[in-house]
Amino acid sequence: RKEVEQDPGPFNVPEGATVAFNCTYSNSASQSFFWYRQDCRKEPKLLMSVYSSGNEDGRFTAQLNRASQYISLLIRDSKLSDSATYLCVVNLFGNEKLTFGTGTRLTIIP
Amino acid sequence: NAGVTQTPKFRVLKTGQSMTLLCAQDMNHEYMYWYRQDPGMGLRLIHYSVGEGTTAKGEVPDGYNVSRLKKQNFLLGLESAAPSQTSVYFCASTRAGGWQETQYFGPGTRLLVL
Repeated sequence: RKEVEQDPGPFNVPEGATVAFNCTYSNSASQSFFWYRQDCRKEPKLLMSVYSSGNEDGRFTAQLNRASQYISLLIRDSKLSDSATYLCVVNLFGNEKLTFGTGTRLTIIP
Repeated sequence: NAGVTQTPKFRVLKTGQSMTLLCAQDMNHEYMYWYRQDPGMGLRLIHYSVGEGTTAKGEVPDGYNVSRLKKQNFLLGLESAAPSQTSVYFCASTRAGGWQETQYFGPGTRLLVL
């Protein structure tokens, strides 16, 4: 089992639709969770941190399910500018290192 | 603030050649990281540093060396390049307590080894 696993997609979604991704992680003692966004041929950038209580930032909602060891990202009212690869990132071992998933590619269709 | 910058942006090497990738950050961050990104593999940690003068191995350190002589700079060296080192290299930095903090990435260096 991969340490951090994501469905690579691609997800092709019409503009205005709602889309959700899940990401599973292998270590139940993992400390921190993040979603990063990476545009084509660009560097990753933090989209949002994922807190135990869940958190929302505008159209984006992130949830953590420790019992089942997964995090999720929900995008509502999707925009063309949401087209990107979304990286699930986990601090698996409580140290200075983060482990990145391979990413889920999302394309929003006009 | 320029944030995190990387030099060069693109390079072509022949097998056996050496080169150094430079990462610089102007955010006074303690922690710095070097990753490589390959299709289907995601970002993999090569080496990292938690402070000036200290370095540590990541997930895929073989064939690479690093140095952090100044807090703002983190150098990645390839002593004898191999085609398997063809990749996109990203540098990142965070404040201390790196695992809780946002990682800020440079724009990447695309390396092709022939």
